Amino acid sequence: GNSVTQMEGPVTLSEEAFLTINCTYTATGYPSLFWYVQYPGEGLQLLLKATKADDKGSNKGFEATYRKETTSFHLEKGSVQVSDSAVYFCALSPAGNKLTFGTGTQLKVEL
Amino acid sequence: GAGVSQSPSNKVTEKGKDVELRCDPISGHTALYWYRQSLGQGLEFLIYFQGNSAPDKSGLPSDRFSAERTGGSVSTLTIQRTQQEDSAVYLCASSSGQGPSYYGYTFGSGTRLTVV
Repeated sequence: GNSVTQMEGPVTLSEEAFLTINCTYTATGYPSLFWYVQYPGEGLQLLLKATKADDKGSNKGFEATYRKETTSFHLEKGSVQVSDSAVYFCALSPAGNKLTFGTGTQLKVEL
Repeated sequence: GAGVSQSPSNKVTEKGKDVELRCDPISGHTALYWYRQSLGQGLEFLIYFQGNSAPDKSGLPSDRFSAERTGGSVSTLTIQRTQQEDSAVYLCASSSGQGPSYYGYTFGSGTRLTVV
């Protein structure tokens, strides 16, 4: 079956630090991959996506590259801000099917 | 509407009572999904509607849970004889006919259900 594994949180960083949140997946075929973000008190929002191998999704300074050889889609940001504090969810979707989510990783950015 | 609308935003109910949660998807979106987010857990798929096709109910945790989608638009998730373990945030999402595999979902803000 399909599954997504994310690194455990919470991740606590100082402002301007480099961020990596690991995500690996198991899926049949060639799924699309997504990162969603949930800010405190808000609903989930699509952060970025990649639909085929070697694609790089990017948004708001965040990036993730679809690595088929390692079945990974790690989220990175070069310099985090306090406003990036949120819960980040990795997800996959086989073609024409529902999304499968990871358990989420909480990020706390401190001054 | 402009986004996915869910109501109520918060619901407190007594154990054993029935509850109905409503979702109004983005106009024109043919696919609608219900997920459950429990404290410290990820998002648990519940049910999926696509157009006029039979819904995918594979995620419903028990027969106390049911959902319908009227006229291909508004959906209602019903939980009968609620239990404390049903306490969670229930999220609704919709997507266009092209499917989540390309566009992803748009989520509503959720209904926080507390069973006391």
